[in-house]
Amino acid sequence: AQSVTQLDSHVSVSEGTPVLLRCNYSSSYSPSLFWYVQHPNKGLQLLLKYTSAATLVKGINGFEAEFKKSETSFHLTKPSAHMSDAAEYFCVVRNRYSSASKIIFGSGTRLSIRP
Amino acid sequence: EAGVTQFPSHSVIEKGQTVTLRCDPISGHDNLYWYRRVMGKEIKFLLHFVKESKQDESGMPNNRFLAERTGGTYSTLKVQPAELEDSGVYFCASSQVDRNYGYTFGSGTRLTVV
Repeated sequence: AQSVTQLDSHVSVSEGTPVLLRCNYSSSYSPSLFWYVQHPNKGLQLLLKYTSAATLVKGINGFEAEFKKSETSFHLTKPSAHMSDAAEYFCVVRNRYSSASKIIFGSGTRLSIRP
Repeated sequence: EAGVTQFPSHSVIEKGQTVTLRCDPISGHDNLYWYRRVMGKEIKFLLHFVKESKQDESGMPNNRFLAERTGGTYSTLKVQPAELEDSGVYFCASSQVDRNYGYTFGSGTRLTVV
């Protein structure tokens, strides 16, 4: 079985300050992990993915995430927030060794950016 | 390449009516998934096609929902008859048959049942 826990439903930061969105996972299998972002009235966009190569993964728009097996975490970070980062972010897990497995979503974290 | 296309983008129907949502996956993607987000809750899996076959339909809420993927190309999701609790955003995603690829999602269909 697999599950994802996003520890914060809402995070608010000031523009220019660091962003940290937390994600913990549980998986009976070796996981692939993803972060998706949804801007208002838009679809889900893939930010980055971890599939077994480097544990520090860089994504689009300056975001990155680090896979920590010992902590079962895959937190999303960005050094300096921009107003355009305001959106909802989803941490996602799937079974790495099953190409047809469904993905499991976390409950989402809404990121607000203060001017 | 074209992305995953869903239409309509919005649909407002009355309780008891029928609605059909359509998803066009990325060309060549054998895997097609339907997900739903109801009332700002979690995004939940509905079902998964591999080509035209239903691989997993464990997330379908009840028999008012019928999904098809004739010919292994586009897919439709029909809700008949619609109930108030069916309101939400329905997402479609597709992926290649490769475990290292992420899923590409469509923009979703926002369904409102009144």
